[in-house]
Amino acid sequence: GAVVSQHPSRVICKSGTSVKIECRSLDFQATTMFWYRQFPKKSLMLMATSNEGSKATYEQGVEKDKFLINHASLTLSTLTVTSAHPEDSSFYICSARGRGVETQYFGPGTRLLVL
Amino acid sequence: GQQLNQSPQSMFIQEGEDVSMNCTSSSIFNTWLWYKQDPGEGPVLLIALYKAGELTSNGRLTAQFGITRKDSFLNISASIPSDVGIYFCAGQGLMDSNYQLIWGAGTKLIIKP
Repeated sequence: GAVVSQHPSRVICKSGTSVKIECRSLDFQATTMFWYRQFPKKSLMLMATSNEGSKATYEQGVEKDKFLINHASLTLSTLTVTSAHPEDSSFYICSARGRGVETQYFGPGTRLLVL
Repeated sequence: GQQLNQSPQSMFIQEGEDVSMNCTSSSIFNTWLWYKQDPGEGPVLLIALYKAGELTSNGRLTAQFGITRKDSFLNISASIPSDVGIYFCAGQGLMDSNYQLIWGAGTKLIIKP
């Protein structure tokens, strides 16, 4: 149980385009989903927290107009990187937790490369 | 942002050796978690600790939640090649209703053939 998937696993896009990454909880209802960014050889950096049906709460320094997060259902959250630039290239990871459950379960990550 | 102090940063060991890593914090945590991350993958939960003093095992892995609630260690016994990866500790605070995680910087485990 507690499986989280991400799609796509890898994406290459041109500078200026937008990219959408999906995060799904496959066998549980995720009341809260988290989006992280990870730079090479670094720890995970929390970008935002989203509760189902509510607007996401962004961490300091994360542009909410740049990284659009939608958590429309209890099993799906999306992160859209708008007008992507090469500096947005990174490894993006989502995690999810169910109601009343403390533990976060992580997706496999999405590697974004902006040319 | 806040980060846990995780050490060592990296370890080079022989196959079969035992491994020990730890995390400390200036803040009290309600929960300590240990994750392993393989290259190009998301973190996978290894052990979750919910009570101060709790000692929990998962196969060859053993972790403990410190009595002061400010530290935790992870031990791996008789290491094997598939143990290679980066291990992260993470803590959950007492007052965060979203159960956000505070992360250590990671311990990279390399096993010499």
